[in-house]
Amino acid sequence: DGGITQSPKYLFRKEGQNVTLSCEQNLNHDAMYWYRQDPGQGLRLIYYSQIVNDFQKGDIAEGYSVSREKKESFPLTVTSAQKNPTAFYLCASLGRVNSNQPQHFGDGTRLSIL
Amino acid sequence: AQSVTQLGSHVSVSEGALVLLRCNYSSSVPPYLFWYVQYPNQGLQLLLKYTSAATLVKGINGFEAEFKKSETSFHLTKPSAHMSDAAEYFCAVSEGTGNQFYFGTGTSLTVIP
Repeated sequence: DGGITQSPKYLFRKEGQNVTLSCEQNLNHDAMYWYRQDPGQGLRLIYYSQIVNDFQKGDIAEGYSVSREKKESFPLTVTSAQKNPTAFYLCASLGRVNSNQPQHFGDGTRLSIL
Repeated sequence: AQSVTQLGSHVSVSEGALVLLRCNYSSSVPPYLFWYVQYPNQGLQLLLKYTSAATLVKGINGFEAEFKKSETSFHLTKPSAHMSDAAEYFCAVSEGTGNQFYFGTGTSLTVIP
């Protein structure tokens, strides 16, 4: 079955530590996205990538970094500069940009501070 | 920029009653509209989408939504609520150019037995 796999499902970060959230898709989708979800705030876009080796900042990119070395993979690093990282992180993909297709989502990673 | 408004962050209905979740959008061009459902600690699952074909769109689990251009609305309905419908619901908009999606802040649906 095609889909998006996020790992780990739960992650704990110590003060001053960088952590990386994994997102892999086998849908052969062009674009990938990272969202942060906080209670009552909906989804906020962190970064997105339309093609390999290219990515763009979203609305809340500070304290985060990404890479897109392969079409299937779009890992998100939460750096120590992100002072309030506790949230639910969702990865999504889109088959083709400039289309009427919906985004597909992974099951999320919940990040907490130790 | 696009914006999506979901009126009512929490909605409660009795089991068997009509479900109505509201979504209004702002767009200068005909948009593509989506409803997603999210169960606790899970990702978003597509319920239905409007892509400029029929204005009444049927989705999974008995849900449907009607696109009303004059009201810039895309409200989600279901004739009879089930306990399993309790979840968070998100309305989303895309203009189909570029690749950004805009999400509402969500509506939490509670179904009372």
